[in-house]
Amino acid sequence: SQQGEEDPQALSIQEGENATMNCSYKTSINNLQWYRQNSGRGLVHLILIRSNEREKHSGRLRVTLDTSKKSSSLLITASRAADTASYFCATDGRSNTGKLIFGQGTTLQVKP
Amino acid sequence: GAVVSQHPSWVICKSGTSVKIECRSLDFQATTMFWYRQFPKQSLMLMATSNEGSKATYEQGVEKDKFLINHASLTLSTLTVTSAHPEDSSFYICSANRQGRAFFGQGTRLTVV
Repeated sequence: SQQGEEDPQALSIQEGENATMNCSYKTSINNLQWYRQNSGRGLVHLILIRSNEREKHSGRLRVTLDTSKKSSSLLITASRAADTASYFCATDGRSNTGKLIFGQGTTLQVKP
Repeated sequence: GAVVSQHPSWVICKSGTSVKIECRSLDFQATTMFWYRQFPKQSLMLMATSNEGSKATYEQGVEKDKFLINHASLTLSTLTVTSAHPEDSSFYICSANRQGRAFFGQGTRLTVV
């Protein structure tokens, strides 16, 4: 399979709680990206972390990257009902062409 | 930021007919574009790499004669689903690369009835 794995596959939390999603990948990378997808809609780019970075923040998002373990995590703090969506990690497989390999995704439900 | 436009956003077609989906880079030139497919409750799977002026490169298991890709200009790639069947019903999304980063179209939801 070309895809990496994400866990959990589904996550349900209360508004205000933090949500953590994990992603593992298989090949060497230049960077790893996280995307959000609302049901039946297109992708929203959240954050990009380069292979030489270990942690990155953007608003309520915190991403970590461990290239030795080929894994990344996405933390959403103080979640809101509007954060309900599917979240995917994507890696470039050391390619600079823009070709991406997506993880299986985590479906997050934030209950008001 | 860079903009990629995909059209149509949704289409319903009869089984056996063909459907064309367009992917345009609006404010930059893209020699390479990518087509992904997403079945319900699943992730995105790369179908093919569209190369301007040359043949597309298909991923294993993707039928090149069924999913025709044409990349005739630096801003336009088209995906034609030929002789569509209900099992081709899916969400199709394209992306184009600009300075090492992928920009995605809005996606096309295809329903074959």
